[in-house]
Amino acid sequence: AQRVTQPEKLLSVFKGAPVELKCNYSYSGSPELFWYVQYSRQRLQLLLRHISRESIKGFTADLNKGETSFHLKKPFAQEEDSAMYYCALSIQGAQKLVFGQGTRLTINP
Amino acid sequence: DAGVTQSPTHLIKTRGQQVTLRCSPKSGHDTVSWYQQALGQGPQFIFQYYEEEERQRGNFPDRFSGHQFPNYSSELNVNALLLGDSALYLCASSWTSGRALGNEQFFGPGTRLTVL
Repeated sequence: AQRVTQPEKLLSVFKGAPVELKCNYSYSGSPELFWYVQYSRQRLQLLLRHISRESIKGFTADLNKGETSFHLKKPFAQEEDSAMYYCALSIQGAQKLVFGQGTRLTINP
Repeated sequence: DAGVTQSPTHLIKTRGQQVTLRCSPKSGHDTVSWYQQALGQGPQFIFQYYEEEERQRGNFPDRFSGHQFPNYSSELNVNALLLGDSALYLCASSWTSGRALGNEQFFGPGTRLTVL
């Protein structure tokens, strides 16, 4: 069965500090991994996907198949990064998303 | 384009009742997926509709059913409501092109269902 684990429900860092949100997955095939973000009073939206290998709002994430991880990183956190972050896995061709429980990130001034 | 829209915004039902939630996909999208998000949890996949048929289904009982209309909009129906059905129900739309992979899913604001 496919599973996504985000070990931290809450994460608090100071502005300007590096931030890393952890995500581990369980899937025997070739997964597609995503990070979705939900800012206060806004809908869930895609932040980035491993296929595109791009940096969005300073965030990057590298798929590590050996460790089955897809951690989200940003070198210098900003207050506007405070939000709920969800890691999600899609099975190839399925378009169905399997989400982790989410991590609430708070950036302190 | 208003993006994905859902109605109603919230509603309250009692145990045993039936409920219908509605979703209009983003313009140009032909695939609709439904997710249930319980408090403090990530969204859980219920099912997906494409070409007016259920294409995939998650681990939800038959009390959960759906429909997709020719204009690609969709309904989620839940019968015999239980207290545990209280959740935020999210609709997401995407575009299927043959067996294209990894098309981004765009989410609606959700419908908050409370079962008393």
